[in-house]
Amino acid sequence: GENVEQHPSTLSVQEGDSAVIKCTYSDSASNYFPWYKQELGKGPQLIIDIRSNVGEKKDQRIAVTLNKTAKHFSLHITETQPEDSAVYFCAAFNTDKLIFGTGTRLQVFP
Amino acid sequence: DAGVTQSPTHLIKTRGQQVTLRCSPKSGHDTVSWYQQALGQGPQFIFQYYEEEERQRGNFPDRFSGHQFPNYSSELNVNALLLGDSALYLCASSAPVRGLVWETQYFGPGTRLLVL
Repeated sequence: GENVEQHPSTLSVQEGDSAVIKCTYSDSASNYFPWYKQELGKGPQLIIDIRSNVGEKKDQRIAVTLNKTAKHFSLHITETQPEDSAVYFCAAFNTDKLIFGTGTRLQVFP
Repeated sequence: DAGVTQSPTHLIKTRGQQVTLRCSPKSGHDTVSWYQQALGQGPQFIFQYYEEEERQRGNFPDRFSGHQFPNYSSELNVNALLLGDSALYLCASSAPVRGLVWETQYFGPGTRLLVL
């Protein structure tokens, strides 16, 4: 079955710097890749997604890139702010279900 | 527009007991998926309900069962609770697009279950 690996597990950045989180997937049949932000005590919140027919998508300070050949996709957050601090999960949609990575704890220091 | 709601927010049970968790999907959504999230890990797919039927199941034992009602709300039942069932249980709702593809899923706040 599909396997999603996510790196790094923790990431600390200074406010205003950029943050990059990377994921790889194993099954080339996966065709939809969402990213979720999970704050303490809350459920995952969808922040951006990309489909396999697109290489890059941007929404204000957040962007996602997809390399289908290498089976890599990445989340880029620019001009980070303290409220970006949370756990971020990547996922791959495969056989009608989402397969999640293990999460990245992002800390943004003022 | 109400998002996905879940109840209760927290629950404490003892080993061997049974538990029922509830979920109401986002307005306009007719499909509910359930996930288990252990501490420090990503959510793991349990099963999905559409048209009151279980249409997809992950690698979970039969102790985990569910139901979907005509108003699209759903229940997750876990029998014979084990210590390892302690986790955050998440419900996600979606609506099929382009035929029967349930990609975009919106999560509720979850129910935190502690088994003692």
